[in-house]
Amino acid sequence: DAKTTQPPSMDCAEGRAANLPCNHSTISGNEYVYWYRQIHSQGPQYIIHGLKNNETNEMASLIITEDRKSSTLILPHATLRDTAVYYCIVRAAYNTDKLIFGTGTRLQVFP
Amino acid sequence: ETGVTQTPRHLVMGMTNKKSLKCEQHLGHNAMYWYKQSAKKPLELMFVYSLEERVENNSVPSRFSPECPNSSHLFLHLHTLQPEDSALYLCASSQERASGHGYTFGSGTRLTVV
Repeated sequence: DAKTTQPPSMDCAEGRAANLPCNHSTISGNEYVYWYRQIHSQGPQYIIHGLKNNETNEMASLIITEDRKSSTLILPHATLRDTAVYYCIVRAAYNTDKLIFGTGTRLQVFP
Repeated sequence: ETGVTQTPRHLVMGMTNKKSLKCEQHLGHNAMYWYKQSAKKPLELMFVYSLEERVENNSVPSRFSPECPNSSHLFLHLHTLQPEDSALYLCASSQERASGHGYTFGSGTRLTVV
């Protein structure tokens, strides 16, 4: 069962920051927060992951609250190609936990 | 290209046909997975292979038969499918017991059963 809660859909204007929230109130101490996205009819793509510190890479930033019960994925300058379903997943990194997908957030970037 | 290649990209088959989906990865990963994604549904994990051994079968009907001959290749053999089996079938690989990016997915095979 998915351990996260995400809004079903969000809109964002092109060029603006897209902030996608995720609640994971039952997260365990050894579980990471992973974000993937799936562009229509393609396989999911890894974006970023983190444990408790904020993380940034070339695609996005991940902000995790101090109590680790929620996080936000930030796409700093959304483009039309960022339109996709975004999945927030919690799992332990150093074991064989399976990647279980929920329903995600459908982000629509408009011109 | 993600490093995980699935063939064919599209497949149409009759209910009495036998076909196979192929997945190949050259990432040096030691675990491979089959997922099914039906229209407007979340991805469903079907099978998990670790070091070429099947470690999980999530109540998948026997008309789906996986095969993992080596750590780089994964097959899904299909026979006597039903129209409701039409879906996007995704393969993924990962390096178990290691942190990092988690799973790498292929682009999927779009299967239509007629």
